[in-house]
Amino acid sequence: GQNIDQPTEMTATEGAIVQINCTYQTSGFNGLFWYQQHAGEAPTFLSYNVLDGLEEKGRFSSFLSRSKGYSYLLLKELQMKDSASYLCAVRDRPTGTASKLTFGTGTRLQVTL
Amino acid sequence: EAGVAQSPRYKIIEKRQSVAFWCNPISGHATLYWYQQILGQGPKLLIQFQNNGVVDDSQLPKDRFSAERLKGVDSTLKIQPAKLEDSAVYLCASRYSGRKGGELFFGEGSRLTVL
Repeated sequence: GQNIDQPTEMTATEGAIVQINCTYQTSGFNGLFWYQQHAGEAPTFLSYNVLDGLEEKGRFSSFLSRSKGYSYLLLKELQMKDSASYLCAVRDRPTGTASKLTFGTGTRLQVTL
Repeated sequence: EAGVAQSPRYKIIEKRQSVAFWCNPISGHATLYWYQQILGQGPKLLIQFQNNGVVDDSQLPKDRFSAERLKGVDSTLKIQPAKLEDSAVYLCASRYSGRKGGELFFGEGSRLTVL
């Protein structure tokens, strides 16, 4: 089974930097995903980490430490449109027919002026 | 490239009635998922298909929920009879298995309200 923990809510100011943490426990690990979900919309893919380290993509970066069961999503130069829920998801088997993606409960980020 | 299509977008029914949701994945995506997302929570996997075979339905309430993926393309999720706690958004997602990383692509979801 899997257990994924992330904060329920966070608030940050426009233009600032915010870090959303995710910790996980899993019997097998093969990748961690971050998704963004605006209210009333479907989740959209942000990033994927399978090896330790930092993956950067524009204003968004994601970090993974497999030994610590820990990841974070870093959002820089926050904009109002970044107000959304951020979902951490863990894949628990090698890529293939039986890989399973389990989501955390999501972190609702509110960006204020 | 067309995305994942789902219908209906919204459905309101009374408890004990039945409902069906339809999903058409992205062309060429062999893996298809149905997730249930209750308000304020993350998506919960109900069932996963690889082509037209089920690979994981461990969290599907089989006494009332059923799903099929005939011919390995479109899929239908049915609830019969519905309960109040089934009120949620039902998200369909697909994935191309051969792609590194292999992120899921989600449809816009079907929002179910059970009264």
